[in-house]
Formats: sequence, structure tokens, C-alpha cells
Amino acid sequence: EADIYQTPRYLVIGTGKKITLECSQTMGHDKMYWYQQDPGMELHLIHYSYGVNSTEKGDLSSESTVSRIRTEHFPLTLESARPSHTSQYLCASRQDNYGYTFGSGTRLTVV
Amino acid sequence: GQQLNQSPQSMFIQEGEDVSMNCTSSSIFNTWLWYKQDPGEGPVLLIALYKAGELTSNGRLTAQFGITRKDSFLNISASIPSDVGIYFCAGPHSGGSNYKLTFGKGTLLTVNP
Repeated sequence: EADIYQTPRYLVIGTGKKITLECSQTMGHDKMYWYQQDPGMELHLIHYSYGVNSTEKGDLSSESTVSRIRTEHFPLTLESARPSHTSQYLCASRQDNYGYTFGSGTRLTVV
Repeated sequence: GQQLNQSPQSMFIQEGEDVSMNCTSSSIFNTWLWYKQDPGEGPVLLIALYKAGELTSNGRLTAQFGITRKDSFLNISASIPSDVGIYFCAGPHSGGSNYKLTFGKGTLLTVNP
């Protein structure tokens, strides 16, 4: 039973379109994260948040942006999608000493 | 930054065989986590280790926190087809910040029935 939800699961979109990937969690976790997963499996941290109105860039530079207006919601936006943005995007949340809880991911394809 | 070296990168085994994978770091970790990612899904936490030398089991899975605190091992006994997936080790960044996890590059496990 998932407590962190990502929508859509799959998205195929044309170059230049603006898209928002949704992530919501019902656990009241303060800390949330966005990872980009390349075909080689590796997970790259692109954004994270310690709480409402807190956002930071991750280890991998990304053209995407995030916002954290509510504790439970951490959407990721691409203003102008490009084929190089094609990837799997994973959202996660964490509370204190416990490990991350991941969503099921959004597989984005930009054509 | 910190890096976790995970090996092997991939494994192809027959159903019923035992599996062993490991993770090493040049830095000390205070927590080791092992995740499994099924195809098309997000990673799911399998085992968490919080103390050097700790040995923890979860069904057919056993993980150990190395004595040096720089490595961890995951063993799967009597593999079955549903063990297929990507296994990641992870640990919190050092320097007092537990907000971000460092992940290994993953081990892709294929089990032939």
C-alpha cells in the first residue's frame, strides 16, 4: 500500500512542452527528494526539500524546478521539455532516521 | 563527495542458487540500507543496519554491517524468479547531515527459472 504517490506513471510529450510531475505523500514527512534514474540504473539526486518553502538543488544539475508549498506535495516542473529529459523520475520522502520511501516513479519520454 | 562502490554490477543465476553482493566506501557510514527495485517500480527498503557488526535477516535475505563501518553485504538464499530486480545499497551523507542518502550504482539480478 503506497503512502507516496506519483502521477502520471507514464508520459510521452513533444519537445518544448511544459510539464509538471506530481508527487504527494500522506505520511507527514518533512524531507522529500527527486531522483533521476538513467538507463544504467544509477540514481541521481536532482532536488530535495527539508520542509515547506525549502528547496535545494541536488548533486546532478537539472533544468527542472521544484516547489514545496505544502508538506505533502512536492511537484517537479520542466518549462520546456527536450529529448535529453527522457528518463525515469523517482520521488521519495523521509522522516528522521528511517530510510526513504519511494514512489513508483514517472517514466518520461520526450519526442 | 562520498561514493559507494557496489559489486557486482550484474548477476545471472539459476533459480535455487544463493546470491551475494557487497558495497564498500572509503568513508565511514553509521547506517547501511539495502533497497530492491522491481522492474517499473520505485526502490523498496529491504533491510536497515544501524550498528557495526550487526547481522539482520528478512526472510531469505541477510545483510551485515561491516566491522570497519566501511562496507556491507547482502545475501539472498535459495533464489526464486521474483528476486529479479536491481539491488541498491545506501547510506546517509557524513558531516552530520542525515538528510541525504548516497546510493550505490546498483546490482542487477536476473534469475533463470
